Amino acid sequence: QSVLTQPPSVSGAPGQRVTISCTGSSSNIGATYDVHWYQQFPGTAPKLLIYGNNNRPSGVPARFSGSKSGTSASLAITGLQAEDEADYYCQSYDSSLSGWVFGGGTKLTVL
Amino acid sequence: QITLKESGPTLVKPTQTLTVTCTLSGFSLSTSGVGVGWIRQTPGKALEWLALIYWSDEKRYSPSLKTRLTITKDTSKNQVVLTMTNMDPADRGTYYCAQFWGSYSVFAYWGQGTLVTVSS
Repeated sequence: QSVLTQPPSVSGAPGQRVTISCTGSSSNIGATYDVHWYQQFPGTAPKLLIYGNNNRPSGVPARFSGSKSGTSASLAITGLQAEDEADYYCQSYDSSLSGWVFGGGTKLTVL
Repeated sequence: QITLKESGPTLVKPTQTLTVTCTLSGFSLSTSGVGVGWIRQTPGKALEWLALIYWSDEKRYSPSLKTRLTITKDTSKNQVVLTMTNMDPADRGTYYCAQFWGSYSVFAYWGQGTLVTVSS
């Protein structure tokens, strides 16, 4: 059971907008620690997609955006493309556990 | 270009000690604010943070695995080494090292990972 809770799967048609939620608690997201998002394709390493809640590393399309409110965060993908089909993970820091924590991951399927 | 590459055994026996090495390129672990962390991914896909070492040589460990882990760095060789004692079949998974940005507390660049199986 992951400290950060994500839906196991989401789906959307090409061109649509999808969101992936990441729910934490008062000892991680709610404690104002930043939330980060990673994208992972089968057989490859996770890649940083969003850092510091809503910042995109160089090269990440503007279709990807992040937000945070209270004890939750969200990743939004607009103009969904077939190449976006991957697993997505959120990550933050937890003061109760004194360590960095990840969500369980969400598999995005492009219909 | 920043790259990290893990190396180590693909198979270890139960109760043995695992030693995995992360070789860094494109950055130095002597740079203030930078660290290198180890994260593993089990066959069920969950990501689990294991250990982190900062440029200052401060070390952090997952509380649940602290007694089994040791992380060290050799700045001159641009390497970070993780050892995990008393390996168990439940420790099977892919072990990743990643560059850590202290300013954001994020794992910015990841190595390709090394798959470790624990079996007699």
